[in-house]
Amino acid sequence: DIVLTQAPLSVSVTPGESASISCRSSKSLLSSKGITSLYWYLQKPGKSPQLLIYRMSNLASGVPDRFSGSGSETDFTLKISKVETEDVGVYYCAQFLEYPRTFGGGTKLELK
Amino acid sequence: EVQLVESGGGLVQPGRSMKLSCAASGFTFSSFPMAWVRQAPTKGLEWVATISTSGGSTYYRDSVKGRFTISRDNAKSTLYLQMNSLRSEDTATYYCTRYDYWGQGVMVTVSS
Repeated sequence: DIVLTQAPLSVSVTPGESASISCRSSKSLLSSKGITSLYWYLQKPGKSPQLLIYRMSNLASGVPDRFSGSGSETDFTLKISKVETEDVGVYYCAQFLEYPRTFGGGTKLELK
Repeated sequence: EVQLVESGGGLVQPGRSMKLSCAASGFTFSSFPMAWVRQAPTKGLEWVATISTSGGSTYYRDSVKGRFTISRDNAKSTLYLQMNSLRSEDTATYYCTRYDYWGQGVMVTVSS
């Protein structure tokens, strides 16, 4: 199974500042079609997960452009510029390259 | 507007069965693979199963293979998860998802 390791486990950010979350894969997520199958989700407190980034760097519909995704074949970063109060929650990376689909352990973002 | 509404959860004894349903609306259901993802209390996200658009291909995590069955009725725009031989470790909130859209989740508690 592909293992996704997120860091840090939690991050505390002052509103208006930036935050970065790392996700490392145990295997390349680059498909034979040239697509990197890494996704980012945010789960706000008491809510269902919502898609932020698909295929490593594409912003999902309705997601503010304060969010951005980047990376290589195995190392990925979610960056949130100018963090707002509504960004609080747990962030998960996920891979949809192979079965079983796997998620990272999550990174909790809190405000200072 | 895309909507996914789960139903069928509740309290069930170990070893018994339960069937979850997910009513989809706001999109052409038959055009999208669908999945179930679960989240145990205070834990992270865990993929359970995926079904192809026609229902002809299904995929499961090892821990539910042979016990859970994912299915769909494209005429009714409904996704199902039949869960047999339930165990305490199956206790979780179960989400129906198109990967970009998620339902509100339904709680399944396996306990005597």
